[in-house]
Amino acid sequence: DTGVSQDPRHKITKRGQNVTFRCDPISEHNRLYWYRQTLGQGPEFLTYFQNEAQLEKSRLLSDRFSAERPKGSFSTLEIQRTEQGDSAMYLCASSLKGLAGGETQYFGPGTRLLVL
Amino acid sequence: GIQVEQSPPDLILQEGANSTLRCNFSDSVNNLQWFHQNPWGQLINLFYIPSGTKQNGRLSATTVATERYSLLYISSSQTTDSGVYFCAVPEDYGNNRLAFGKGNQVVVIP
Repeated sequence: DTGVSQDPRHKITKRGQNVTFRCDPISEHNRLYWYRQTLGQGPEFLTYFQNEAQLEKSRLLSDRFSAERPKGSFSTLEIQRTEQGDSAMYLCASSLKGLAGGETQYFGPGTRLLVL
Repeated sequence: GIQVEQSPPDLILQEGANSTLRCNFSDSVNNLQWFHQNPWGQLINLFYIPSGTKQNGRLSATTVATERYSLLYISSSQTTDSGVYFCAVPEDYGNNRLAFGKGNQVVVIP
């Protein structure tokens, strides 16, 4: 299967701990996105990369959140000093930037985080 | 930013029935995607449909961009169609940050 993959699929942590999630996009895709989804809501945009450049990060929820895509392939999302309000599904998506503008984003299975 | 409203929020269908889900958006778009989120949370692409009509098996979608709405049709529904259907459009015209509606929760009963 060559879709978007995420690891881990589930994470339970205690408040105050740091967590890191990994996303591997579809191999030829140059754009990678992170979204967060809470119960009963649609996903909300957090940040995105084009190749290794992070082009939008103002929507990260606080300075405890950071993301990297060091070689333009996989990406990591880190949450430091987790809080109970960080409990959510974290979704990664990838796409191929086209010359015509519109593009289709493909989502991974998500990482479900529970902060106790 | 753009507002996305989906209706109905909840729908219960008898297996074999047909249904229509609606997505209204508040501004012009050059991109619209429909997704199905299964019970395990996976978002599955259904359609990329900024305008016009597309069909894929028992599902079809129509977007009327000038009137700022899109419709998703499910025909001869099956229990595997259960889940949440999301419509997503760019937050601002021409950018690629998707704004999602709250979804249509669909339950198909045998």
